[in-house]
Amino acid sequence: EAQVTQNPRYLITVTGKKLTVTCSQNMNHEYMSWYRQDPGLGLRQIYYSMNVEVTDKGDVPEGYKVSRKEKRNFPLILESPSPNQTSLYFCASSLRTRSYNEQFFGPGTRLTVL
Amino acid sequence: QQQVKQSPQSLIVQKGGISIINCAYENTAFDYFPWYQQFPGKGPALLIAIRPDVSEKKEGRFTISFNKSAKQFSLHIMDSQPGDSATYFCAASIGNFGNEKLTFGTGTRLTIIP
Repeated sequence: EAQVTQNPRYLITVTGKKLTVTCSQNMNHEYMSWYRQDPGLGLRQIYYSMNVEVTDKGDVPEGYKVSRKEKRNFPLILESPSPNQTSLYFCASSLRTRSYNEQFFGPGTRLTVL
Repeated sequence: QQQVKQSPQSLIVQKGGISIINCAYENTAFDYFPWYQQFPGKGPALLIAIRPDVSEKKEGRFTISFNKSAKQFSLHIMDSQPGDSATYFCAASIGNFGNEKLTFGTGTRLTIIP
């Protein structure tokens, strides 16, 4: 089944404790992206990657890191989480063989930083 | 700066009625306007999309109306059903093989009541 998977789905952590949220897709998509969803703000892009070893900042990159060592994986790293990073996070992927590509979203990771 | 403004924030419609969600954008470079549907506990999924060379696109009970001069577009759900209850996000992007970034609206929580 073609899909985007994220782990963990739920995470409660404390301020300053480094964490990684994994994202993997099995559709051979070049493009991958991380969004955070907050009430009243919609979805905002954190980082994106257009291919292996190519990453760039989105609208709200502060406090986050990413890496793209393999085409299928795009982990999101919070080196020193803070309470304002409590949010619902989504990974998405799409093909880049043409414009106007549908983005496929993972199921989400709900993060709480105490 | 909110580049895509969405209204209303929440909407309650009786079964069989018409649900209408509106969006307005500012960036005239946007040339792709998708709507995403999100059910509780799930990631957003593409529902329907339009490009500005047409004024309307219909897929089943779902229709996008697009007004390029007013920089507005809307989603109409005809014969609304309880299964349509979800959060709907309008979005916009620039299809230039660059960052396939979707700029999202803030979302509309739609509830269809019997």
